[in-house]
Amino acid sequence: DAKTTQPTSMDCAEGRAANLPCNHSTISGNEYVYWYRQIHSQGPQYIIHGLKNNETNEMASLIITEDRKSSTLILPHATLRDTAVYYCIVRVVGGGTSYGKLTFGQGTILTVHP
Amino acid sequence: DAGVTQSPTHLIKTRGQQVTLRCSPKSGHDTVSWYQQALGQGPQFIFQYYEEEERQRGNFPDRFSGHQFPNYSSELNVNALLLGDSALYLCASTIPTGTGGQYFGPGTRLTVT
Repeated sequence: DAKTTQPTSMDCAEGRAANLPCNHSTISGNEYVYWYRQIHSQGPQYIIHGLKNNETNEMASLIITEDRKSSTLILPHATLRDTAVYYCIVRVVGGGTSYGKLTFGQGTILTVHP
Repeated sequence: DAGVTQSPTHLIKTRGQQVTLRCSPKSGHDTVSWYQQALGQGPQFIFQYYEEEERQRGNFPDRFSGHQFPNYSSELNVNALLLGDSALYLCASTIPTGTGGQYFGPGTRLTVT
């Protein structure tokens, strides 16, 4: 699975959009981008994933650049409860590949301030 | 619809002992993965079970073993505990096909003294 690079930490004001970047310059054509977050002392929570098109769900939006070498997770109206470590993970899917292994890096610590 | 459940929540063991952790996957999921998360680190993949077989394994010694039951629940066993095995142990479940995300349980906090 391709390696990802994320900033160590970011701050955001409550109510504002939080934009979390991720670099995955060695991504392959069959690799998806996944985002998870982990609130202190809890299990990671799946947020969203995508291949090459932008994706949106009830939690967030995922913007993937046209060359797929980077992506941005957008929390449109951050709240204090969004304070967490956010992990960007690139993973091969399909063709007999195991669906079990996620390779977590250090992630981005997002702190939402009042 | 229950999510992924794990037991126990916390556990304290002594060096050299053995421990068994348990996981029930989310309803409709039949693939279970286990992760170890040391303090301040991201989770590290231990192994994955599907159809009662270990399908993929991370870089963990044979002291770490597992089992999956016909109802898809799973156990993680660790023998000859070391101080370095102290960590949060996470279970995640998913379906074996498609691109869907994995769903994690709350974890079991293991402390080895």
